[in-house]
Amino acid sequence: EVQLVESGGALVQPGGSLRLSCAASGFIFDSYWMSWVRQAPGKGLEWVANIRRPGSEEYYVDSVKGRFTISRDNAKSSLFLQMNSLRAEDTAVYYCARGGTVTYFDYWGQGTLVTVSS
Amino acid sequence: DIQMTQSPSSLSASVGDRVTITCRASRSISSYLNWYQQKPGKAPKLLIYAASSLQSGVPSRFGGSGSETDFTLTISSLQAEDFATYYCQQSHSTPGTFGQGTKLEIK
Repeated sequence: EVQLVESGGALVQPGGSLRLSCAASGFIFDSYWMSWVRQAPGKGLEWVANIRRPGSEEYYVDSVKGRFTISRDNAKSSLFLQMNSLRAEDTAVYYCARGGTVTYFDYWGQGTLVTVSS
Repeated sequence: DIQMTQSPSSLSASVGDRVTITCRASRSISSYLNWYQQKPGKAPKLLIYAASSLQSGVPSRFGGSGSETDFTLTISSLQAEDFATYYCQQSHSTPGTFGQGTKLEIK
């Protein structure tokens, strides 16, 4: 059974940093693109970033470029999102999802809440 | 970036109704169009991929069609468990933009 379990969400002050993790199981992790998708409270879905299977290509939505870094550890079947210089508008539930560019998101984690507030 | 526009934004319907939701892309995306269902407090669930392919385990009352810029999601006979928010998403190019969502409510 495919499982994606996010962790690391927290309350953080504007300008602060946070690292999200996603533990994957039930599939061959290094065979898939992986992505982060977020959803602000009461709003729609927004794709944030994705990373190619071997981890050599990364893509970001413009609003997080230069602040967020996606990475993966294929040996540990884990996906990460390092978030720096956080802003109030980054407040959202962050979902880890299997899939990326040119593919669909067929499995999602349960999400982890990031709140940026003073 | 490719913009995705869904209509309507909200919809009231009854159990047993046939419902159609549309999604329009700002430029051609071939058949790189996916549909998701999301219930309150839950992660999205993939329903349809590549415009018309039904994801494994999804009931056959869900159907998708379209290509290039215009797409539809059809629910042939609404069931109680179908009341949720539906999103389209293009996977033709990065960023993989989503539509704004269509909230399907009970009439």
